[in-house]
Amino acid sequence: KNQVEQSPQSLIILEGKNCTLQCNYTVSPFSNLRWYKQDTGRGPVSLTIMTFSENTKSNGRYTATLDADTKQSSLHITASQLSDSASYICVVSDSWGKLQFGAGTQVVVTP
Amino acid sequence: DAEITQSPRHKITETGRQVTLACHQTWNHNNMFWYRQDLGHGLRLIHYSYGVQDTNKGEVSDGYSVSRSNTEDLPLTLESAASSQTSVYFCASSDARGTEAFFGQGTRLTVV
Repeated sequence: KNQVEQSPQSLIILEGKNCTLQCNYTVSPFSNLRWYKQDTGRGPVSLTIMTFSENTKSNGRYTATLDADTKQSSLHITASQLSDSASYICVVSDSWGKLQFGAGTQVVVTP
Repeated sequence: DAEITQSPRHKITETGRQVTLACHQTWNHNNMFWYRQDLGHGLRLIHYSYGVQDTNKGEVSDGYSVSRSNTEDLPLTLESAASSQTSVYFCASSDARGTEAFFGQGTRLTVV
């Protein structure tokens, strides 16, 4: 069973609108959670990383939250742009540095 | 600058051939991973290593093998390539607690 679940699987949003992606995990012992953006045909690129004690982290128009008690995270994209069209992957690391991946949310931003 | 590189970027091979994909990192990371990514699926773990001489099976390890003779390299070998192994392969490395993690650009493998 996958220890990192993401929702929705895909979404389409209009340029300029906001959206929120969800990630639930069961990885233990937990070390950190990061959100990656993966453009088609490219390797994933890290957007944010949060440890147990951090509950929010921003990177430009991307804001991630973490609730370590409920083991949930979200990624909020503000004022979406066409270049935000990509797959967004939630990755949780255990204490030994093993990376567990969610299946990703495919975001399509339309004009 | 430190980096992680994969080679080749593209490979076409025939069914039954042995194929080796290279992954080289200069981050001095202990942990290295191989994933495959197929349409409709997220990244799935094939094999991983926590250090020299250490290798472990991931969730989709059948038909693949790895070896870790030094810190920098984790080659992935397909012993007898099958069409089901047509995929995009990503290598990653991370430090001991996963606070640093980087991916290669991927290798697109086609088995015909």
